[in-house]
Amino acid sequence: EAQVTQNPRYLITVTGKKLTVTCSQNMNHEYMSWYRQDPGLGLRQIYYSMNVEVTDKGDVPEGYKVSRKEKRNFPLILESPSPNQTSLYFCASRLQGGTEAFFGQGTRLTVV
Amino acid sequence: GEDVEQSLFLSVREGDSSVINCTYTDSSSTYLYWYKQEPGAGLQLLTYIFSNMDMKQDQRLTVLLNKKDKHLSLRIADTQTGDSAIYFCAESEGSSNTGKLIFGQGTTLQVKP
Repeated sequence: EAQVTQNPRYLITVTGKKLTVTCSQNMNHEYMSWYRQDPGLGLRQIYYSMNVEVTDKGDVPEGYKVSRKEKRNFPLILESPSPNQTSLYFCASRLQGGTEAFFGQGTRLTVV
Repeated sequence: GEDVEQSLFLSVREGDSSVINCTYTDSSSTYLYWYKQEPGAGLQLLTYIFSNMDMKQDQRLTVLLNKKDKHLSLRIADTQTGDSAIYFCAESEGSSNTGKLIFGQGTTLQVKP
């Protein structure tokens, strides 16, 4: 089944403790991205990648890092999480030139 | 920069039609999308419309696009309680080749029995 898989689905952590949210897609898509969803703000893009080893900042990249060493994986790294990064995170992938973006199920992160 | 605006809340009675509205600013968008998010779930693509179309119909869903006013709407006919969800309007960023989607704030649709 074609899908985007994020892990974990839920995470509670403490301020300053490094964490990684994984994202994997099995559709051989070139394009992957991370969004965060906050009430009243919709989804805002954090980082995106157009292919292996090609990443760039989205609209709200501060406090986040990404890597794209393999085509299928696009992990989101929070080196020193802070409470303002408490949010719902979505990974998405899309075929280059395709019309539809496929979203993961989301990761709800709470930083205390 | 590009912006997409939606009203935050809509309440309708079961069986009525729902109309969710959206305005956008990027006139170079190639596609405009409607996504549905049910509680605790991810985003499900409902439908999309190419920017050179005025209307698209898919079963109970009708999308209308007014390019002059940069206005997009989603009409759900015979709304059911299972349609209760958050609906996001999104446009593809037309000025670059990044495939970035710009989302509205989301409209919470409440369907009363």
